[in-house]
Amino acid sequence: ELKVEQNPLFLSMQEGKNYTIYCNYSTTSDRLYWYRQDPGKSLESLFVLLSNGAVKQEGRLMASLDTKARLSTLHITAAVHDLSATYFCAVDVDSWGKLQFGAGTQVVVTP
Amino acid sequence: DTGVSQDPRHKITKRGQNVTFRCDPISEHNRLYWYRQTLGQGPEFLTYFQNEAQLEKSRLLSDRFSAERPKGSFSTLEIQRTEQGDSAMYLCASSLAGYDSPLHFGNGTRLTVT
Repeated sequence: ELKVEQNPLFLSMQEGKNYTIYCNYSTTSDRLYWYRQDPGKSLESLFVLLSNGAVKQEGRLMASLDTKARLSTLHITAAVHDLSATYFCAVDVDSWGKLQFGAGTQVVVTP
Repeated sequence: DTGVSQDPRHKITKRGQNVTFRCDPISEHNRLYWYRQTLGQGPEFLTYFQNEAQLEKSRLLSDRFSAERPKGSFSTLEIQRTEQGDSAMYLCASSLAGYDSPLHFGNGTRLTVT
């Protein structure tokens, strides 16, 4: 069974500093997703990563994928309060959208 | 694009009752998914459809759960004889059949079984 592990599970960030969230998975997959979830809200798609070495950036967020190491990272540059949320990585089990999610990383950004 | 719509937003029911949830996907999306999320956890896959065909059901889904997608448009998820362990957020998502198409999630239906 595919396992997806995120760490850390909780991240307290200071505004203006840089941080990284890690997502490890146990078997090969050709698609990895990052989602954001605000409290009481649904999931918002951030990135879809398709191939080894893929890097995508949107604003202060940058995601990368190393399929050989079975590792994806979500890098946050110069954290701001608006980035406070829970971030999930998810691995596509069968290339049809059957996703195995990590437990999520709760991010709190403080001044 | 009005997004994925789910109804109701909240449902409180007594143990043993049946409940049905509805999901309206983004209109041009041919794939539809149901996930379940409990507090503090990531969503868990339940089932998915390509058009009207149900392709897979998770082992998490007991025989009390059934999902349909008549005519490949909206979908319903029914839970019979609800149990307290069914309390969760039920999320619907849809996507285009494409290699780089993300799943678009609805706001979910929060079920509380008392």
